[in-house]
Order: sequence, then structure tokens, then C-alpha cells
Amino acid sequence: DAGVIQSPRHEVTEMGQEVTLRCKPISGHNSLFWYRQTMMRGLELLIYFNNNVPIDDSGMPEDRFSAKMPNASFSTLKIQPSEPRDSAVYFCASSYLGTAYSPLHFGNGTRLTVT
Amino acid sequence: QKEVEQNSGPLSVPEGAIASLNCTYSDRVSQSFFWYRQYSGKSPELIMSIYSNGDKEDGRFTAQLNKASQYVSLLIRDSQPSDSATYLCAVKDQGGGNKLTFGTGTQLKVEL
Repeated sequence: DAGVIQSPRHEVTEMGQEVTLRCKPISGHNSLFWYRQTMMRGLELLIYFNNNVPIDDSGMPEDRFSAKMPNASFSTLKIQPSEPRDSAVYFCASSYLGTAYSPLHFGNGTRLTVT
Repeated sequence: QKEVEQNSGPLSVPEGAIASLNCTYSDRVSQSFFWYRQYSGKSPELIMSIYSNGDKEDGRFTAQLNKASQYVSLLIRDSQPSDSATYLCAVKDQGGGNKLTFGTGTQLKVEL
């Protein structure tokens, strides 16, 4: 089975540019999560969706960040405009919503560098 | 603010020894608990889950849960150099939808 697929693996961009990160969850999973990981703050939940509907976006840092899930097999996280402090590894994860015991499965992450 | 606390380490143990990793959580209604392993530059991978008080064993790994003390631990027996990684504790609560709150992780180094 294919796992969670993220693209791109690496992104280097200049401050002020728009960045779009992409994620394809595991087929059959109906919860999708975007996390950001830095050395200082560890893994932080940005937003998550259940059945394509955003449930909690309280972790989104500010209005520069937006996320969409137009269908069950695709999600995007957009940063516009990007800033150097956005540099981090962004992980997408998916799980099955239906039991409290289902774990999250992570993609390989996107390493974002904003110069 | 629901919190999951871990000692950042590094925790150094000799090869063949038992490594003990600890985690405390603040939310009493937390229901499910997970341990993830993350190698440098890689994504977190699930190694253990536990839901009931007591011990759960899987190969060289044992997870221990004490809900009264709000404490969960991971024991790694016969530690190997390949166990050197960061171990993340994650907690899911009843009212949190399906999301996991992660600790900042404990770095484990298994020395030859």
C-alpha cells in the first residue's frame, strides 16, 4: 500500500514568495493533518480535516497560512507571503476516523527553506 | 493548554542495556497513547500504542501506562545502535476529534 505522499520533498524560496505544499493521504483514511516541526518547538499541529472538512485550525500561525482539502485524496497547505521564520519541515499525516485508537501515518515531509 | 512533557535528553545507554523513556501528560481525559520513533531527517513512525493501564509488550518494546499518575513510558530491552533516534510520545483525548498532541521527544543514543 502506498503511504502518505507529500510533494515537494524540498522547497527553497525567497521571502515574499508563495509556497504550496501538497499531500495525498492513504486511501480509505478520512482524517488528514498538517504538522510543522522545528528544533525549538517540536511537532506542532497546524490544522486537521475530518471527511474533507476543516475541524481545528487553531494552530495555523497567521493569515498567511491556508489549507484546503477539495476531495478525499488531496490537500494543500499554502503560505503567502512566505517568511524566513516559516522555515521548517512540514508533515502531512492521515488516519481513519472511527475509533479513538487509530494512529497517525506520516508522509516523508517537505523541508521548506525561506531565504 | 494540553501538554505532553518529555525529557529532551540525550539519553545514553550502552548496547544491550534497557532504555527507559518517560512521558507525562496534563489532560486527565486522555484516552489513547502512542510512541513514535523518528530517525534524523526522517518522518515519525509508529512503534507502540497503549490504551489501558498496565504494560503492553511487543518484541523488545514495552509500553507502560498509569492513568492515575498521568504517566506513560517506553522500555527498550537489549538496546541496539539502530535504536538511536528521537522517541516521540503522543496523546489523543476523547474530545480532541482525531488529533494527536506530541511531546518534543527524547533523543536516545545507544553506544557500542
